[in-house]
Parts: sequence; structure tokens; C-alpha cells
Amino acid sequence: SAVISQKPSRDICQRGTSLTIQCQVDSQVTMMFWYRQQPGQSLTLIATANQGSEATYESGFVIDKFPISRPNLTFSTLTVSNMSPEDSSIYLCSVEPTGANTEAFFGQGTRLTVV
Amino acid sequence: GQQLNQSPQSMFIQEGEDVSMNCTSSSIFNTWLWYKQEPGEGPVLLIALYKAGELTSNGRLTAQFGITRKDSFLNISASIPSDVGIYFCAGAQKLVFGQGTRLTINP
Repeated sequence: SAVISQKPSRDICQRGTSLTIQCQVDSQVTMMFWYRQQPGQSLTLIATANQGSEATYESGFVIDKFPISRPNLTFSTLTVSNMSPEDSSIYLCSVEPTGANTEAFFGQGTRLTVV
Repeated sequence: GQQLNQSPQSMFIQEGEDVSMNCTSSSIFNTWLWYKQEPGEGPVLLIALYKAGELTSNGRLTAQFGITRKDSFLNISASIPSDVGIYFCAGAQKLVFGQGTRLTINP
């Protein structure tokens, strides 16, 4: 398995501002993903963070709202832009280690509250 | 898009009882994964299933990959208080998650 560190673990932000969440992995991984978990809900994939190219977004998520960076094989960031209270969620980074046969491991999440 | 139906949505049981939950889908998956999530934490992988019909155990946990590749179940035997949490099934290639089963145990 991989050890995944996410920062910040939680934040309270004003509407209209942006927050960048960092995800650091202790080993090089091929696949990194960002998920959103709204209160009391399951996990929804936002995008796949591709190293060296633009992220691949799922239906309902756009780059202008959730810009993603993946500068190398161990690090990624997700920015939640122009936040509104509806963006209050837990945001989770996930990785599939190379050769791990589709097993995904998660960071502890970032609990975001927008006021 | 692909959807998973997970049931039950919540369970209230007595310590020592066995637990069973399942996931079904209209789509075929190549891999089924079961996760547990505790408050303030990310999901933790419990069991991974790769082959139709596969039955895999991890301590008191047992999971099976359905023959049709459209369903999976997770059993927990002799539940203990630390089993409390939300259990998610997920189907892959690209992970799709069930709605979760919230397990509460009465001591």
C-alpha cells in the first residue's frame, strides 16, 4: 500500500475564495484521483490527475472550477475555485500504486466548510 | 453512467452478531473492492476481489465476487465495537462507489 498525506485536513473558507488541497504520496504512482464526498453521501470521482498533461474530468466537473496539477509521480493539487456553500464537502485524494491491480488507497481527506 | 446499489443503507446490531451487506450493479465490473470509512478518515481498503466467483477472507471479514460480475457481498462475523463505520463497495476499472452501509453496534 501507499502512504498518502493530504493538507490541509480541514478548513473553513469564505465564499468567493479559493482553496488548494495538496496530496503527497510516499512512492511513485501511476494513477492519482480526486474525489468529493458530500455530507452523508458516497464518493464521487472529480477527475484523474495525469502527470505531464491536463487532468481528465468526470461529467459535471470542469477545469475552471476544479483546476488540478500533477507535476510529478508523487504529488498533486486540487483547487476549489470561487467557493460557495454547496462546495462544502470532504475532498479525497486517491492513488493506485503501479502494479497494484486496481486497488485504490485514500488519503485522510480534507473537510471543507464554506461560509 | 455506472451505478452501484448497496444495501442495507444502515444496520443496528448487537455485539457478537454476524453482518451481511451486498452490492449490485447493472454493469459488469472486473474488480470489486470493499472499503471501511471511520469519522474524519478516508476509506480504508478491506478486501479486493478480481475473479468472478472468488471468495476471499480477511480475518472476520469474508467477501465474494458474484459469478455474473454484477454483484458482491461482504460478511462480518462476530461483530465487535471497532467494526462500527461506513462500509462502501466499489467496482473498477474506474472506481464507482455504492452509497455505503452505516453499521452501528449496540454493546
